[in-house]
Amino acid sequence: GQQVQQSPPASLVLQEGENAELQCTYSTTLNSMQWFYQRPGGRLVSLLYSPSWAEQRGGRLTSSAASNESRSSLHISSSQITDSGTYLCAYASSSFSKLVFGQGTSLSVVP
Amino acid sequence: EAAVTQSPRSKVAVTGGKVTLSCHQTNNHDYMYWYRQDTGHGLRLIHYSYVADSTEKGDIPDGYKASRPSQENFSLILELASLSQTAVYFCASRGVYAEQFFGPGTRLTVL
Repeated sequence: GQQVQQSPPASLVLQEGENAELQCTYSTTLNSMQWFYQRPGGRLVSLLYSPSWAEQRGGRLTSSAASNESRSSLHISSSQITDSGTYLCAYASSSFSKLVFGQGTSLSVVP
Repeated sequence: EAAVTQSPRSKVAVTGGKVTLSCHQTNNHDYMYWYRQDTGHGLRLIHYSYVADSTEKGDIPDGYKASRPSQENFSLILELASLSQTAVYFCASRGVYAEQFFGPGTRLTVL
């Protein structure tokens, strides 16, 4: 079935100020994709949404993907302690925009 | 941004009991979704709907029913709650460009 693999696969620890790159690989050609942020027990907050061919920017966040690749990336620049949480990617692959989610990457930013 | 609310925010149910989770959105989105989140499984689609009075099965519909009485409201019904249905449940709605917006989640514990 459709699968989404995230890397780093489980967790990532950064020192404050470092940059991070999170990646998602998909089992099929990219349609549209969406990145989410979630605090423990919290709601999923949409960070960036883009069709497969578009780079999206939002503050210190940039997502990129290629229409001919089954991969997308989320770049976090100048990480802050408040960036700590879980980052999930998801792609839409059907006419009703079903989202298929990755397992998530837990990011911890330490002083 | 779409406003999606859920009630209750948490619930404890007994095995074999009936549970109804409610979702309400205020932005006239056609599509609404129910997902569950479990540790180790990410988010999985249970049911979705693209129009009032119609629902569709997602990836894991067994043990769940859904109801869409109006464009704004979408309910998830567990007729006979089981231990395996302990999870966090998220409702989402879909915007014009397939971007999905999530509610705050309902933490369900079945004892």
